[in-house]
Amino acid sequence: DTGVSQDPRHKITKRGQNVTFRCDPISEHNRLYWYRQTLGQGPEFLTYFQNEAQLEKSRLLSDRFSAERPKGSFSTLEIQRTEQGDSAMYLCASSRKGQGGRETQYFGPGTRLLVL
Amino acid sequence: TQLLEQSPQFLSIQEGENLTVYCNSSSVFSSLQWYRQEPGEGPVLLVTVVTGGEVKKLKRLTFQFGDARKDSSLHITAAQPGDTGLYLCAGGGSQGNLIFGKGTKLSVKP
Repeated sequence: DTGVSQDPRHKITKRGQNVTFRCDPISEHNRLYWYRQTLGQGPEFLTYFQNEAQLEKSRLLSDRFSAERPKGSFSTLEIQRTEQGDSAMYLCASSRKGQGGRETQYFGPGTRLLVL
Repeated sequence: TQLLEQSPQFLSIQEGENLTVYCNSSSVFSSLQWYRQEPGEGPVLLVTVVTGGEVKKLKRLTFQFGDARKDSSLHITAAQPGDTGLYLCAGGGSQGNLIFGKGTKLSVKP
């Protein structure tokens, strides 16, 4: 069990450029979540997948954001036409239901995005 | 809307002191989780509390879930510099996600 990994760890881009982040969940975890965390705030939910199906999206996820999990394993989060307000830490978490139906989310180290 | 309020927002103490941080909501949660996050890293789960009135201990950390399952507290005894970090509480949201408080930023000075 190698934990959740995210790539890249840091990304600096210019306003208007597109960026793509990758998340590799813990193997056999069927649920994968994306969150965004800005300075001084707790993580805020963006979207989640159960296997390859994207089940929920937050209102925070504007049309410029798209997420995929094509084979139910790794996931990508793409931001098109980045804006300075997109600067944040993007966190990925994975989980599966355990005993008693309880679910624990394990987080990756995050991708810190800076839009200049 | 489910919200979690954490207090205090910042806490700076000397090594060896005790402290308590709070997590409050007007909503009932089926469970609450406490995470610790270091700068530039993702949150790491410390504990999940499920039953109203439940108390869980993790070495020098004591977690309590309120009887009504609307609030929780984290007490640290004899804090050490290694306890420094952002402490986040989180509860289950309606979309299957976690709802986080803003966190308590703890600094323990040697």
